[in-house]
Amino acid sequence: QVQLVESGGGVVQPGRSLRLSCAASGFTFSSYAMHWVRQAPGKGLEWVAVITYDGSNKYSADSVKGRFTISRDNSKNTLSLQMNSLRVEDTAVYYCAREVTVDTVMRFDPWGQGTLVTVSS
Amino acid sequence: SSELTQDPAVSVALGQTVRITCQGDSLTNYYASWYQQKPGQAPVLVIYGKNNRPSGIPDRFSGSTSGNTASLTITGAQAEDEADYYCNSRDSSNGLVVFGGGTKLTVL
Repeated sequence: QVQLVESGGGVVQPGRSLRLSCAASGFTFSSYAMHWVRQAPGKGLEWVAVITYDGSNKYSADSVKGRFTISRDNSKNTLSLQMNSLRVEDTAVYYCAREVTVDTVMRFDPWGQGTLVTVSS
Repeated sequence: SSELTQDPAVSVALGQTVRITCQGDSLTNYYASWYQQKPGQAPVLVIYGKNNRPSGIPDRFSGSTSGNTASLTITGAQAEDEADYYCNSRDSSNGLVVFGGGTKLTVL
């Protein structure tokens, strides 16, 4: 079945780096744009970054621009998020999600189970 | 960037009908998608586009759009429908993504 599994979360000090991964299975990974979405404790969903199906274009939210880099390896069906200069406010569960867009309808399906990143001294 | 506005909390009596709304300028150009999130779980797509349900989503869930407002309707709410609901769409100002702030649904 279509599945996304994140890994790489943990506890990290402010200013340090962490790399998240998302392993995809059950679909043709190289055909889909992929996203990272995060959720701070007790808060709503916040879009983080997107990468096009072939990796040629990447965009990120202003809150992480210049610090986070999204990438993908289509040969390994893997999505990554390199997070540098981490801040306390980056503490969140990070989800990867597949984008399916048809005309004016964009949907995220499925989502991974999420991986928790805690930035704390 | 654009915004999508949702009521923070809504309640419904068991078996009754509830509508959760999502308002924003982007919805005049793009359809919304709706996600259900239960505590400690990842979001799950429940409605997308005009009124499309993924496989496995009960038919008591439906969607509609009017102007700049998208609605998710649950007809005959069940106890298991108690959850947070989020809308999202493409952001018409920059072509990226916008999420609503979420609505906490309580089933009484």
